[in-house]
Amino acid sequence: DVKVTQSSRYLVKRTGEKVFLECVQDMDHENMFWYRQDPGLGLRLIYFSYDVKMKEKGDIPEGYSVSREKKERFSLILESASTNQTSMYLCASSLRVTNEKLFFGSGTQLSVL
Amino acid sequence: DQQVKQNSPSLSVQEGRISILNCDYTNSMFDYFLWYKKYPAEGPTFLISISSIKDKNEDGRFTVFLNKSAKHLSLHIVPSQPGDSAVYFCAARITGNQFYFGTGTSLTVIP
Repeated sequence: DVKVTQSSRYLVKRTGEKVFLECVQDMDHENMFWYRQDPGLGLRLIYFSYDVKMKEKGDIPEGYSVSREKKERFSLILESASTNQTSMYLCASSLRVTNEKLFFGSGTQLSVL
Repeated sequence: DQQVKQNSPSLSVQEGRISILNCDYTNSMFDYFLWYKKYPAEGPTFLISISSIKDKNEDGRFTVFLNKSAKHLSLHIVPSQPGDSAVYFCAARITGNQFYFGTGTSLTVIP
């Protein structure tokens, strides 16, 4: 069974902290994505990656960075967490060739106090 | 600017009846559309998709209709069941590009 695993389900951090959100997929997918979900705003793309060490900005990259050192792992980094980054963060992956379906992790609910 | 819109934040339907969820898009270059279902505290799961060369796709109780001239997508669930209660997101994609998601519609199926 295909799987996208996010390291934490719930996370509470303080303003100004550096935060790492980890995502691992076991499907050998080339594409990986980070979204955030907020009420009334749907899913918004933060960053994505088509290959190891490659990254592309999505629609809302400000305040975030990413790292893709291995094919199966895609990390989202909040350099200095702020309260407006309190959100549900969703990692997803897909095959590069078809890119017809995103497989999502269970999400990380991040609260920044 | 929201390229994919779901104008109904919520919908309530009696068990056994039809649920119709709607989605509008603005970019005529979108060539592939999907519906995802999301339960609280879980990630979205794929439900059904349709290519722009088709106008209908069925999978069991779920049917997706695409009206390209109106730039409108709809998901029909027949018959609706209490377990269908969830948030439904529509998404659209241009080949080789990212997916754009709507804001979601929360469906409640009343037993």
